[in-house]
Amino acid sequence: DAKTTQPPSMDCAEGRAANLPCNHSTISGNEYVYWYRQIHSQGPQYIIHGLKNNETNEMASLIITEDRKSSTLILPHATLRDTAVYYCIVPYNQGGKLIFGQGTELSVKP
Amino acid sequence: SAVISQKPSRDICQRGTSLTIQCQVDSQVTMMFWYRQQPGQSLTLIATANQGSEATYESGFVIDKFPISRPNLTFSTLTVSNMSPEDSSIYLCSVDVEGSGELFFGEGSRLTVL
Repeated sequence: DAKTTQPPSMDCAEGRAANLPCNHSTISGNEYVYWYRQIHSQGPQYIIHGLKNNETNEMASLIITEDRKSSTLILPHATLRDTAVYYCIVPYNQGGKLIFGQGTELSVKP
Repeated sequence: SAVISQKPSRDICQRGTSLTIQCQVDSQVTMMFWYRQQPGQSLTLIATANQGSEATYESGFVIDKFPISRPNLTFSTLTVSNMSPEDSSIYLCSVDVEGSGELFFGEGSRLTVL
């Protein structure tokens, strides 16, 4: 079973910020949080990852709470092309394996 | 980054037959993984393909059903053996170039078993 919990679906208006939450209450001190997304009929795409500090790249921002039990992926100005399933993942072990949960299906609407 | 090519991109097969899916990476990578995505579902990790040794399978997956080869650091194959309609899925190859957890995925091989 995945170590994260995400809402199954969310809607967002085009041009607005999309805030996708993730709970990972059993995360260990040295475990990273990874975010991927999968656009329909494509392979998953890496977005961002972080340990405890907030992270930002050209795609998104990742906000991790101080206790590290939850995080939020922020797409600052969502477009229709951001419609996808977003996966929050905490690796199971040091073997580099990523176990995908059910993710959040984000629908960006005009 | 890494560019991953999978062949075939899709195929329709008869039950009882076997199909081999190829994964070619444009650079040498240590970590290579095979995932399955059944219709309407999330991704399920099948195994880690180890170069020069037997693959490491996840619970519920066995070598007799999903034999994997990894002859070098840029290539791997996954065979789906003795197929049944339940094996109809998208099979995805992924690699971790730097061991950082940032995975790159191929576009997948869509398999339909009749």
